[in-house]
Amino acid sequence: DAKTTQPNSMESNEEEPVHLPCNHSTISGTDYIHWYRQLPSQGPEYVIHGLTSNVNNRMASLAIAEDRKSSTLILHRATLRDAAVYYCILRDLRGSRSGGSNYKLTFGKGTLLTVNP
Amino acid sequence: ETGVTQTPRHLVMGMTNKKSLKCEQHLGHNAMYWYKQSAKKPLELMFVYSLEERVENNSVPSRFSPECPNSSHLFLHLHTLQPEDSALYLCASSQDNRVANEKLFFGSGTQLSVL
Repeated sequence: DAKTTQPNSMESNEEEPVHLPCNHSTISGTDYIHWYRQLPSQGPEYVIHGLTSNVNNRMASLAIAEDRKSSTLILHRATLRDAAVYYCILRDLRGSRSGGSNYKLTFGKGTLLTVNP
Repeated sequence: ETGVTQTPRHLVMGMTNKKSLKCEQHLGHNAMYWYKQSAKKPLELMFVYSLEERVENNSVPSRFSPECPNSSHLFLHLHTLQPEDSALYLCASSQDNRVANEKLFFGSGTQLSVL
């Protein structure tokens, strides 16, 4: 399995940018890089995903290294509501029981982000 | 509100009980998933259904029995559970699990305690 490595925890201050790193040195050419976050007492929530190019959406930006062996999730202005566990995931392809293919989302331990007021 | 609803939110059961967890999605998706999240452990994928067919079963003990009667509903039937099965059980759905860039939408989970 292609695996990711993230710091266990990070801390930031409200209104400041946050850069959450992720290493995925064994990524294959067809793996998409996904980011999810899990707020306390909730299920995970999709944040962003990308393949090769940097991506922006209303929640965050994703910067992908040229060799694709690492990526960084950027929250431009952290708020208290952004305190969560952030998961960097490579969505990998597996064979299914029916003989077709199906993609699995395999979660690691993620990074616990603390936002200070 | 993610469009995926799980009931009940909390469940306490004895080891000899039989109970069921329910998940319903209002997103028109074709794939549904059960994940387990134990304290201080990563989420573990349990089952995947695509178009009501089970396509993934991650070596889950038979005391957990999934059921997907249609593409909008997913159940997890529980019987003779062990205390170590206490965890947060999360349901998710996606449009199509055969596409790598698909997003998953999660429910808020059922917090299960086995006494």
